[in-house]
Parts: sequence; C-alpha cells; structure tokens
Amino acid sequence: DVKVTQSSRYLVKRTGEKVFLECVQDMDHENMFWYRQDPGLGLRLIYFSYDVKMKEKGDIPEGYSVSREKKERFSLILESASTNQTSMYLCASKPGQGEWGAFFGQGTRLTVV
Amino acid sequence: GESVGLHLPTLSVQEGDNSIINCAYSNSASDYFIWYKQESGKGPQFIIDIRSNMDKRQGQRVTVLLNKTVKHLSLQIAATQPGDSAVYFCAETINTGGFKTIFGAGTRLFVKA
Repeated sequence: DVKVTQSSRYLVKRTGEKVFLECVQDMDHENMFWYRQDPGLGLRLIYFSYDVKMKEKGDIPEGYSVSREKKERFSLILESASTNQTSMYLCASKPGQGEWGAFFGQGTRLTVV
Repeated sequence: GESVGLHLPTLSVQEGDNSIINCAYSNSASDYFIWYKQESGKGPQFIIDIRSNMDKRQGQRVTVLLNKTVKHLSLQIAATQPGDSAVYFCAETINTGGFKTIFGAGTRLFVKA
C-alpha cells in the first residue's frame, strides 16, 4: 500500500517562528501536494511539485514556501508563522502518468499562538 | 477563475436509502475528476474517478455521473450505510504538466440509523 507520512500529527508554534512540515511518500510518485483544510473552505492548494526541485504555486501560496530536494520528500515551510496559518495541513502524492487519485497523509494540525 | 463547488454543504439520509452528492465545476479544461471521502481525523481517501470523455462510471455501490454540458458531477451511493458518514469532496484535475488537483468545499453526509 502507498504510504504518505507527515512528520507530526499536532504542532503548536509561536507567532513569528519558522515552521517546517515534512512529508514523505514511499511509492516513487512524481507529484506531491500541500493543502490546507479549514472548516467550510474544503482543501485549498498551497503548492505542488511535479519533480525534484520543481514547484508550482497553488491557490494560496502567500506566507509559504516549499522544498523538494529528493523525490520522496516534500517540505512545507512557514517563514514566519502567523495566527491565520492555524489550520490542518494535508500532504498528498500522485503518480506522474495517467489518471490516478492522490494518496493523502493523515494531516498535521498546526496551531499558531 | 478555477473553482469546484458543491450545491449542498450537508446531506442527511436514512440508512438503506440512496445518497446523491452534487458538485459543480467551472474549468472546462479539466480532464479528470475524482471523488474523495474523508472520515473524521483522517486524510481524504480516493473513492472513484472519471475521465472527461466519459459520462458515467460505476464502482462498488458508488456511481459517478459527469455532465460536461452544465459542468456538473455527482456521486451516487447505493444502500447508504452508517460507515458512509463522512465528508465527500469532488476534485478536478487539470494537466498543467503536473496534474494540478483542485478540491471543492465538501459535503458532509449523515446517515441516520
């Protein structure tokens, strides 16, 4: 089975801190995604990556950056955390070819205080 | 702009009845659509998909219908069970080189025993 693992289930950070959310997938997928999920807003795409060192902005990239140095790992970085970045963050991966649904991690609930 | 929306935020059905969850999308360039199920505390899970050159696809107890003329997608669940209670998301995938996926806001399905 495909496994997408997010490094933390729950995080509490202070305003202004630099925050790293890590995601690792074990199926050699080309595509990886970071979403945030907020009540009533569904999943909103922050960034995605379709290859190592390649990235593309999603719908809400402001305040975030990403890093994909290795194929299996996709990191989301909050340069200076703010309270409006309190949310559930979901990582997903997907094969590069054909029509395949994405596989999701369990999510990281980040609280910025 | 790109958006995927749902007509109803919540749906309540009696156990054993059929459920229909609707979704509207706005990007005519989308070529692949997916329904996901998200249970409490978990990441979304792939249910069924459909390509843009199809109008119907059936799975086990689920059917997805696609009407490209009105940009409408629906998920039908036959003989709804308590285990079907979850939030359901439709998503469209656009081939930007990396299969960008955009999610709708979600519909919460309640199954009454």
